[in-house]
Amino acid sequence: AQSVAQPEDQVNVAEGNPLTVKCTYSVSGNPYLFWYVQYPNRGLQFLLKYITGDNLVKGSYGFEAEFNKSQTSFHLKKPSALVSDSALYFCAVSPTSGTYKYIFGTGTRLKVLA
Amino acid sequence: NAGVTQTPKFQVLKTGQSMTLQCAQDMNHEYMSWYRQDPGMGLRLIHYSVGAGITDQGEVPNGYNVSRSTTEDFPLRLLSAAPSQTSVYFCASSYGFTGELFFGEGSRLTVL
Repeated sequence: AQSVAQPEDQVNVAEGNPLTVKCTYSVSGNPYLFWYVQYPNRGLQFLLKYITGDNLVKGSYGFEAEFNKSQTSFHLKKPSALVSDSALYFCAVSPTSGTYKYIFGTGTRLKVLA
Repeated sequence: NAGVTQTPKFQVLKTGQSMTLQCAQDMNHEYMSWYRQDPGMGLRLIHYSVGAGITDQGEVPNGYNVSRSTTEDFPLRLLSAAPSQTSVYFCASSYGFTGELFFGEGSRLTVL
């Protein structure tokens, strides 16, 4: 079965330190990969995506993600965390099989400590 | 530009009642979808549509109906509400396979 895994329910990081939120996937073919962020009582907002090309993708608010095909991973990173980055982060995969059946991970709560 | 608009934001139903969650987008997106968000389970796809008159089932379609008569609107109908349908529901749209999803603000549904 196709799936997306976010192995950490919560990640704590000190403000100013680098952060990583992990995502691995099990999908056939070459999927499109996305990261979204959700603030309390809000809908999800798009951060960045990998479609093809350079494995390092840059997105909104200083976030970036690295696509690793051999490890089937798409980890979200930021060089210096801000308290305002505290939110719920979702990794998502769009299989390139001609369907629109996006698959989401279970989410990782990021807490940035002042 | 309003984006994706969902109504209502909150709703309380009794078991067996029916209701419709409304979703409208003004971006001329062909793709629209409904998700439910439950703690620890992420987002699960209920139904989706790739254009007016075309709908298909997602991962958890049972108990829900959809229709797509226009590009703008994609309502989700609960036929006979059950406590297991207590959740937060999100509507999302996109312009294509490589496009990101644009989400509404969500509708919190409680079934007693």
